Amino acid sequence: EAQVTQNPRYLITVTGKKLTVTCSQNMNHEYMSWYRQDPGLGLRQIYYSMNVEVTDKGDVPEGYKVSRKEKRNFPLILESPSPNQTSLYFCASSPSRGSYGYTFGSGTRLTVV
Amino acid sequence: GENVEQHPSTLSVQEGDSAVIKCTYSDSASNYFPWYKQELGKGPQLIIDIRSNVGEKKDQRIAVTLNKTAKHFSLHITETQPEDSAVYFCAASIDGTDKLIFGTGTRLQVFP
Repeated sequence: EAQVTQNPRYLITVTGKKLTVTCSQNMNHEYMSWYRQDPGLGLRQIYYSMNVEVTDKGDVPEGYKVSRKEKRNFPLILESPSPNQTSLYFCASSPSRGSYGYTFGSGTRLTVV
Repeated sequence: GENVEQHPSTLSVQEGDSAVIKCTYSDSASNYFPWYKQELGKGPQLIIDIRSNVGEKKDQRIAVTLNKTAKHFSLHITETQPEDSAVYFCAASIDGTDKLIFGTGTRLQVFP
């Protein structure tokens, strides 16, 4: 089944403790992206990647890092999480840049206390 | 940059009635407008999209209309059913760019 898989689905952590949210797609998509969803703000792009080793900032990149060492994986790294990063996170992929048939993962609900 | 406004934020309808969600965009260069449906506990799923070279597109009970002059587009759901209950997001993008800007979402509730 074609899908984007995120892990974990739920995560509660403490301020300053580094964490990684994994994202993997099995569709050989070139383009991958991370979004955060907050009430009243919709979906805001954090980072995106057009291909292996090519990443760029979205609209809200502060406090996040990403890497794209393999085509299928696009982890989101929070080096020192803070409470304002409590949110619902989605990974998405599409066949290529400019192709907007986005497939989203099921989401990761992160709480930073 | 592009900004997308979406209204209403919540919408309640009786089963069988129609529902309309409206979005406006700011960048006249935007030419791709998808709509996503997000069910509880799931990620958004593309349900319909339209490009700026057409004014309307239909797929069974859902349709999207686009008014380029006024810079707004709308999602129409006819004969609503309880399974249509979800959060709906509109989005806008300039084709070939890396930016897909989402609206703030509309929570649709369909009562039996």
